[in-house]
Amino acid sequence: GDSVTQMEGPVTLSEEAFLTINCTYTATGYPSLFWYVQYPGEGLQLLLKATKADDKGSNKGFEATYRKETTSFHLEKGSVQVSDSAVYFCALSDQGGGTSYGKLTFGQGTILTVHP
Amino acid sequence: SAVISQKPSRDICQRGTSLTIQCQVDSQVTMMFWYRQQPGQSLTLIATANQGSEATYESGFVIDKFPISRPNLTFSTLTVSNMSPEDSSIYLCSGGQGAETQYFGPGTRLLVL
Repeated sequence: GDSVTQMEGPVTLSEEAFLTINCTYTATGYPSLFWYVQYPGEGLQLLLKATKADDKGSNKGFEATYRKETTSFHLEKGSVQVSDSAVYFCALSDQGGGTSYGKLTFGQGTILTVHP
Repeated sequence: SAVISQKPSRDICQRGTSLTIQCQVDSQVTMMFWYRQQPGQSLTLIATANQGSEATYESGFVIDKFPISRPNLTFSTLTVSNMSPEDSSIYLCSGGQGAETQYFGPGTRLLVL
């Protein structure tokens, strides 16, 4: 079945540092890929997405590129802020139209803490 | 995009009781799902809420424990039945169009004593 693996956390950075959170996936078809963010005490918010190979999703200074050859969707940000402290989830969605259609498979989540 | 609300936002319940969680979407969506997030864990899919028919449950989840209704394209309920402390989790619903983006509600934080 489909699976998503995220880098182990937690990740602790100083403000303005560069962020990378690794995400790799296994899927039988051609999934859509997502990054969701969960701020303390809140639900999940979509951060960015990519629906096909070589697409780059971007939002709020975060970027991730859909790499089919390495089955990866790593999240990057050039300069993090204290307000970016949250849990980040990589996820995939099956586009194949079968019984898994539309369902999200999540990675284990990465806790990011940014210090001033 | 879709804006999703859930009620209640949190609850503390006694073991053996049941709680029904409501999920309301501000627009019609084709797909609605229910997820569980146990403390410190990732999200696990409970079931697909099918409009006008029985929900489709994932392995390890059964209708008797988690009955789901979806009477129309904007509303769904999840009931957690005969609760035990192991059911203490955040329950989230999501909605979207097909395999396009799923939008999430704020979650219902359930504590079972």
